[in-house]
Amino acid sequence: GENVGLHLPTLSVQEGDNSIINCAYSNSASDYFIWYKQESGKGPQFIIDIRSNMDKRQGQRVTVLLNKTVKHLSLQIAATQPGDSAVYFCAETVDTGGFKTIFGAGTRLFVKA
Amino acid sequence: EAQVTQNPRYLITVTGKKLTVTCSQNMNHEYMSWYRQDPGLGLRQIYYSMNVEVTDKGDVPEGYKVSRKEKRNFPLILESPSPNQTSLYFCASRGPGAQYFGPGTRLLVL
Repeated sequence: GENVGLHLPTLSVQEGDNSIINCAYSNSASDYFIWYKQESGKGPQFIIDIRSNMDKRQGQRVTVLLNKTVKHLSLQIAATQPGDSAVYFCAETVDTGGFKTIFGAGTRLFVKA
Repeated sequence: EAQVTQNPRYLITVTGKKLTVTCSQNMNHEYMSWYRQDPGLGLRQIYYSMNVEVTDKGDVPEGYKVSRKEKRNFPLILESPSPNQTSLYFCASRGPGAQYFGPGTRLLVL
């Protein structure tokens, strides 16, 4: 069935290093993927998105890579900062006549000073 | 300022007592949705709405109702809340290139 999950529940990185957060999805029909950041006590915040006709998309300090062959999505954060500490979710949107969205369980990123 | 608002932010209620959580967005988005977030389960979609008077079930619709009588508002209704509906609820609206989430409503059903 449809499922979006994460390989690692927690990730600890040194300040200034690059972070890579991974995500696997199972539905090859999904056409839109989103990464969200959620800080404690707040709602998820949109970071970056990518459509299935793309392999890579870059934003400010963030890059999303999509590998449709192995159904894998990753979020790369360059020069990780303490403010990047949060839980990161990937989400898969399946266009079934609507926009049903499935979220992964999340990865908690710890940034060590 | 573009935003999604939810009310109340915190609510304690008892089993069976009907409640409504309001959601409003000021971005003229057509698409809105409700999620619940539980530890270890991430966010699960309850209902979504593609436009006024158009709603559809998400992954976990049981025990919930929604309505979309106007574009800006998308209330979540629990006709007879039960303890397993204790959760953190988020409303969201979607526009080009982004989905905006509200601040969340923490609900405790005793």
